[in-house]
Amino acid sequence: ETGVTQSPTHLIKTRGQQVTLRCSSQSGHNTVSWYQQALGQGPQFIFQYYREEENGRGNFPPRFSGLQFPNYSSELNVNALELDDSALYLCASSPGLSNQPQHFGDGTRLSIL
Amino acid sequence: SQELEQSPQSLIVQEGKNLTINCTSSKTLYGLYWYKQKYGEGLIFLMMLQKGGEEKSHEKITAKLDEKKQQSSLHITASQPSHAGIYLCGADRAAGNKLTFGGGTRVLVKP
Repeated sequence: ETGVTQSPTHLIKTRGQQVTLRCSSQSGHNTVSWYQQALGQGPQFIFQYYREEENGRGNFPPRFSGLQFPNYSSELNVNALELDDSALYLCASSPGLSNQPQHFGDGTRLSIL
Repeated sequence: SQELEQSPQSLIVQEGKNLTINCTSSKTLYGLYWYKQKYGEGLIFLMMLQKGGEEKSHEKITAKLDEKKQQSSLHITASQPSHAGIYLCGADRAAGNKLTFGGGTRVLVKP
């Protein structure tokens, strides 16, 4: 059984640029959630996708957007990058919306210069 | 203040000693999850608690949920160097797997 995989592992961008992060969910999982983890803090919920539709969003501006594809893989897009966007971005998948633990990928480390 | 407060923020324990981490919520808990994270890596699922008074154990780790106090604790017995890492509690407020996390507890086990 393949777990959650994220790409790329590391990325360096400059302010104002745009970035796309990718996530392949674990086999059989139709729900993908994205989290942002700043250094020394706990992860913060960005948004969730369930069966290709956005199913909830945290306190993040519209320049954070996403997609989920028919195979349940997902993308996180961030426009107009800011220095504060530097963080570890984590993707998690689960086989449904509730009562099931999420399984996390190893994350993408994004650095903004 | 944060919705989920973890204490302590960090601790150093001698190998073989026990340790306890607490997670207190300011809001009603629907489900409480414990994860472990190595620095800069993804989260590893440890346990899920859903009912008041529920207690689960796996190997040397035990987690409890006190629904009335809106608290959970994670206890490690006879700690080993492999237990070092960051422990995170996550709360599912309204079902749906949209987790709110605490700030984490950094554990170092001295050999």
